[in-house]
Amino acid sequence: AQSVAQPEDQVNVAEGNPLTVKCTYSVSGNPYLFWYVQYPNRGLQFLLKYITGDNLVKGSYGFEAEFNKSQTSFHLKKPSALVSDSALYFCAVRAAGNKLTFGGGTRVLVKP
Amino acid sequence: NAGVTQTPKFQVLKTGQSMTLQCAQDMNHNSMYWYRQDPGMGLRLIYYSASEGTTDKGEVPNGYNVSRLNKREFSLRLESAAPSQTSVYFCASSEAFRGSYNSPLHFGNGTRLTVT
Repeated sequence: AQSVAQPEDQVNVAEGNPLTVKCTYSVSGNPYLFWYVQYPNRGLQFLLKYITGDNLVKGSYGFEAEFNKSQTSFHLKKPSALVSDSALYFCAVRAAGNKLTFGGGTRVLVKP
Repeated sequence: NAGVTQTPKFQVLKTGQSMTLQCAQDMNHNSMYWYRQDPGMGLRLIYYSASEGTTDKGEVPNGYNVSRLNKREFSLRLESAAPSQTSVYFCASSEAFRGSYNSPLHFGNGTRLTVT
């Protein structure tokens, strides 16, 4: 069975500082990895994905994520956080033939 | 371009009542999904429809039924609501299910359901 872990329920960061949201996964076969963001009272929005190729993938709003196969991780990063980045972030994984599995979410709070 | 539209936005039901959540997408996507979101549990798949004319159970299908009315519309029905079904429900769509694993999901804004 595939699974996703987001070990931090909440991440607090000062505006302008780097932001990292952690994600580890377990899957049989090659993983397809995704990050989504959810703003209050809205549905999830796609940020970025890793399918194959470069381990560093770039996405929307200045976010990027690094795929690390040996550590089975796919951490989300942003070099300089904005107050408007405060939201709920979800990591998700799927393997070929399987459905998408979401992590429990990490709330990011960026303080001015 | 509206994307994925869900109705209603909010609903309060008494235990035992029934209701249908509606979902429509205008992106010509083949696959549609219903998720529920509960605090600390992420999103759990209730049912999905890989293509028009097909539906399949997800992780938590008990107490729910679905109908893929046409390519655009995918409804979720609660026949006899229970307090355990209090949740936020999201409909999503994607270009394809099998054979296109990199298709991201597009979500509606959710229906907040309370069962008393």
